[in-house]
Amino acid sequence: AQSVTQLDSQVPVFEEAPVELRCNYSSSVSVYLFWYVQYPNQGLQLLLKYLSGSTLVKGINGFEAEFNKSQTSFHLRKPSVHISDTAEYFCAVTGTGGYNKLIFGAGTRLAVHP
Amino acid sequence: DAMVIQNPRYQVTQFGKPVTLSCSQTLNHNVMYWYQQKSSQAPKLLFHYYDKDFNNEADTPDNFQSRRPNTSFCFLDIRSPGLGDAAMYLCATSRGQGTSETQYFGPGTRLLVL
Repeated sequence: AQSVTQLDSQVPVFEEAPVELRCNYSSSVSVYLFWYVQYPNQGLQLLLKYLSGSTLVKGINGFEAEFNKSQTSFHLRKPSVHISDTAEYFCAVTGTGGYNKLIFGAGTRLAVHP
Repeated sequence: DAMVIQNPRYQVTQFGKPVTLSCSQTLNHNVMYWYQQKSSQAPKLLFHYYDKDFNNEADTPDNFQSRRPNTSFCFLDIRSPGLGDAAMYLCATSRGQGTSETQYFGPGTRLLVL
C-alpha cells in the first residue's frame, strides 16, 4: 500500500519569494508521483508528474519538483511566487501496477502575501 | 475546450432525501472517477468506471451508488444522505486505467445536508 505525507499543512510566504512544499511517500512498489493544485471552490489541476527518467520535472506556472528515490521525496518548488499562486497543493502517488488510484496527501495551503 | 463538467456546483438536500450529482465529459475518456473531499481533507476515491465496468472501493459505504449510462455521463447517487456526507464531490476522467495516466478533474459539486 502507498501513503503520502505532506509535512506542512500551511506555508505563508511573501510575493516574489521562493517556496518549497514538501512531500514524502511510502510504498513497497515503484510509484508514479503527481502534484495537483486546487484553487478555492474549484477542482484539481495537474501541475506536473514524474513517471521515469530525469528526476527534475518541470510543470506549469513555473513550478518544478525533484524526485529523490533514496529519500522517498518529491518536493515542489517555485523560485518566485505570485499572489495568484495562493491555493491548496496536493501531492499524490499511484502504484505502477493495478488500476489508476490516486492516493493523496493531506494538502498544503500556500498563502502568498503582498 | 474539452472538459469535465459537474452540475450543479452547489446542492442542498435534506437528511435522508436521495440526491443525484451529475458529471459529463467531452474528452471521450474511457475511465470516470468519483472522489469525496471533506473539508480540509484530501480527496478520497469512492469508485470508478472503466467503460461499463464498475469498480467500487472496499471502504465506500453502500449508501453511495453510481451509474454510467454512456461514455459521456456518470452519476453519483446518495440514497439516504447523512450529515457526514456533506462534502465536495469531484468527478475525474482519464483516457485509460494505467497508473501513469493523468486524471482530469471537474470543478466539483459541494453538497450540503440539512
